[in-house]
Amino acid sequence: AQSVTQPDIHITVSEGASLELRCNYSYGATPYLFWYVQSPGQGLQLLLKYFSGDTLVQGIKGFEAEFKRSQSSFNLRKPSVHWSDAAEYFCAVGPATGGGNKLTFGTGTQLKVEL
Amino acid sequence: EAGVVQSPRYKIIEKKQPVAFWCNPISGHNTLYWYLQNLGQGPELLIRYENEEAVDDSQLPKDRFSAERLKGVDSTLKIQPAELGDSAVYLCASSHIQGAAGANVLTFGAGSRLTVL
Repeated sequence: AQSVTQPDIHITVSEGASLELRCNYSYGATPYLFWYVQSPGQGLQLLLKYFSGDTLVQGIKGFEAEFKRSQSSFNLRKPSVHWSDAAEYFCAVGPATGGGNKLTFGTGTQLKVEL
Repeated sequence: EAGVVQSPRYKIIEKKQPVAFWCNPISGHNTLYWYLQNLGQGPELLIRYENEEAVDDSQLPKDRFSAERLKGVDSTLKIQPAELGDSAVYLCASSHIQGAAGANVLTFGAGSRLTVL
């Protein structure tokens, strides 16, 4: 069965500091990997996705993530955090083929940005 | 283009009452999903539709939950009767036809927050 682990429930960073949110996955085949962001009272917005190819993927709002197959990780990074980045971040894994687009989400990491 | 539209955004009911949520997906998206998001948790799939067919409803509590997607466009999720533990956010999402580019990219609506008293 596929699963996603986000080991950090809460993270606090100062505005302008760098950010790394961790994501580890368990999947028996080639996965699709995603990062979504959710602001309070809102739905989930796609930040970036990895399907294949270059293991460093760029997303919206200055975010990037690196797929490391050997570590089963897909960590999200941003070099300089803005106060508006405060939100909850979800990592998700899904099948590359078949499986009906069934995404499995992690439990999320709540990001707080100190001014 | 318009996003995934859900209504109502908020609903407060007493236990044992029925409740219904509506979702209109992005035009052209044949796959529609209902997810349940409990407080402090990630979304969990309840049901997935390919056009009007429910192809994955294994996580839907069928004793009290039901869903339909007549005509393969908008969808309704119903709970009857609601229990205290049903208090959560119900998210609807849609995606392109499976197999096409971007097939696995889900676009979510803003969600319907249910409070059961």
